[in-house]
Amino acid sequence: EPEVTQTPSHQVTQMGQEVILRCVPISNHLYFYWYRQILGQKVEFLVSFYNNEISEKSEIFDDQFSVERPDGSNFTLKIRSTKLEDSAMYFCASNLRERETQYFGPGTRLLVL
Amino acid sequence: GIQVEQSPPDLILQEGANSTLRCNFSDSVNNLQWFHQNPWGQLINLFYIPSGTKQNGRLSATTVATERYSLLYISSSQTTDSGVYFCAVPNSGGYQKVTFGTGTKLQVIP
Repeated sequence: EPEVTQTPSHQVTQMGQEVILRCVPISNHLYFYWYRQILGQKVEFLVSFYNNEISEKSEIFDDQFSVERPDGSNFTLKIRSTKLEDSAMYFCASNLRERETQYFGPGTRLLVL
Repeated sequence: GIQVEQSPPDLILQEGANSTLRCNFSDSVNNLQWFHQNPWGQLINLFYIPSGTKQNGRLSATTVATERYSLLYISSSQTTDSGVYFCAVPNSGGYQKVTFGTGTKLQVIP
């Protein structure tokens, strides 16, 4: 069964550094999403992406965040200058149509020191 | 934005017992998903259930959209059912920006 994959599974970085989290959505899917989950808290929506542009974003998704689909398969989340509070699990998701199940990847655990 | 509350927040079950988890939401929704987050942090899709009832093995879910709640039933629980269960709904008028509930942490003991 097709699945969403994410790399790396874990990343440790220093405050102020840039990080890029990578996702490969399910191949025929058209809508792509990033979520984050701070340890012990609920999952929060960050951004959705369709037709090569951001379609919705949350208040959390400020100027330090950006997303890109650089080729036909990858979907990336860049954090320009990481802060301690960016430490979280980041999930990528995708679906074929808006009104359908979003399929989640296994997550990338980011730790900012 | 939409508020999504789940109950109970914590639940301990003896293996083999049944349970019902509840998800209440503050506004009308056009879809709803249930997820299981296993102890390794992975989010597993359980159901996509905007209305009605669905069953998958020992799990079933019912959404009553007009009354703004959904229920997840776990029967004959197993230790592998342990983890956190989340429901998630889109914000009013849309489908993409999804709000997760507060979660129910389930522990099934042998």
